Amino acid sequence: DADVTQTPRNRITKTGKRIMLECSQTKGHDRMYWYRQDPGLGLRLIYYSFDVKDINKGEISDGYSVSRQAQAKFSLSLESAIPNQTALYFCATRGTSGKRIEQFFGPGTRLTVL
Amino acid sequence: KNQVEQSPQSLIILEGKNCTLQCNYTVSPFSNLRWYKQDTGRGPVSLTIMTFSENTKSNGRYTATLDADTKQSSLHITASQLSDSASYICVVSAVSGGGADGLTFGKGTHLIIQP
Repeated sequence: DADVTQTPRNRITKTGKRIMLECSQTKGHDRMYWYRQDPGLGLRLIYYSFDVKDINKGEISDGYSVSRQAQAKFSLSLESAIPNQTALYFCATRGTSGKRIEQFFGPGTRLTVL
Repeated sequence: KNQVEQSPQSLIILEGKNCTLQCNYTVSPFSNLRWYKQDTGRGPVSLTIMTFSENTKSNGRYTATLDADTKQSSLHITASQLSDSASYICVVSAVSGGGADGLTFGKGTHLIIQP
C-alpha cells in the first residue's frame, strides 16, 4: 500500500462549487503539506501543518482552507472553486528526525474547474 | 529572497546518451539540496540529497554534484533510458527553516528521452 494517498485522483467541477481533497499517510509523520503544481511554475506551497494543532499558510493560500483531522489526515478545501484553481495538487509528508529529512509526496489530484 | 533556478527548462536527448541538468540557488543559510524525479502525472520521488560537506552523491546512473561556494548543483544522467523521461526538480533547504521548513523549489527541467 502507498504511504501517502490522495483522493480523488481526478475531479472535474464547476465554478462556485465547494471541493475537498483528502490526504492520508501511514508514515507516522507529523508534518504535512499541500502544494499545487502548474505548468512552468513548479510546486507552490498552499498550506502546511507541523502537528494536529498547527496550521500555517503557505505562499498561495487565498481561496483555500485546510483541516488536520488527525496526525494521518490533512484535507484541502476550495470553498468556491474558480477556473484558475485548475491544477495538479500534491500532498506531502515529512519526518522530523535528522538533517536528511525527505518529503514524501502523494500521487496527486488533477482538478479541473470549468 | 531565496531562489532556485534550474536549466535548461526542457531537454531532448537520444536514448543511451548522457546529459547534465543544472541548479543554481541563492538559499541562505544553506542546509541541504535534494534532487527529485517526477514522472508525468505522479508525485516527485527523491533521488539524492547532499549537505554542505558533500560534493557528490550517486544513485545508480544518477550522479549529483554540489559546489557550495558557487551555490551550484548538477545532476548527471549516464546512459539514458526511456524511463528517465520525467521532470527533475531541485529543492534547497535553509538552516532553521523558518516557515515551512525553509524549502525552496526549482521549477524543474523536463527531460525527454527519444528512442
